[in-house]
Amino acid sequence: DIQMTQTPSSMPASLGERVTISCRASQGISNYLNWYQQKPDGTIKPLIYYTSNLQSGVPSRFSGSGSGTDYSLTISSLEPEDFAMYYCQQYDSSPWTFGGGTKLELK
Amino acid sequence: QVKLLQSGAALVKPGASVKMSCKASGYTFTDYWVSWVKQSHGKSLEWIGEIYPNSGATNFNEKFKGKATLTVDKSTSTAYMELSRLTSEDSAIYYCTRVYNNYEDYVMDAWGQGASVTVSS
Repeated sequence: DIQMTQTPSSMPASLGERVTISCRASQGISNYLNWYQQKPDGTIKPLIYYTSNLQSGVPSRFSGSGSGTDYSLTISSLEPEDFAMYYCQQYDSSPWTFGGGTKLELK
Repeated sequence: QVKLLQSGAALVKPGASVKMSCKASGYTFTDYWVSWVKQSHGKSLEWIGEIYPNSGATNFNEKFKGKATLTVDKSTSTAYMELSRLTSEDSAIYYCTRVYNNYEDYVMDAWGQGASVTVSS
């Protein structure tokens, strides 16, 4: 199985700050990488698909990039509703696997 | 809008089985795969498997073969997952998701609210 390693596991940040979350795959995944957000109430929604495509309805402050084994999610200016858990997920090779998650916390 | 409504929390005894449901609305149920994802307490997400309602075709994470059974009822636009021979390791929240799958895109673009399963005697 492809292992997905997210860093950091937690990140204190301030409103308006620019943050970047990293995701590294144990082998190349050809940009087959999605990002999801999970709120404290358990609600999960997709943010980015195929590395850099913004899911419909997701604010433009979210962006994704990367290639090969290394990918990242950037939030350009944190809003109050962005403090949540974030997960990357690869779909290059079954079984699809998720990163361990990054908790974005208010500093 | 697309909605996936899951069944409620379940408390089950070790060794028993549990069957949970996921009722879809707001789209043509038979046109999209439905995936199931496990989230153990405080942990990350694990993909269990998926089913294509139109044909009943399934794909599984090897880890969950023999543990999870996926079915659908097209007449009610409902997907089901049954977990068998439950142990404490099966205590988790389980999500159903709709999968958008097109060429290079594979994204779980809608999620249910999650169903909690607690295995305890």
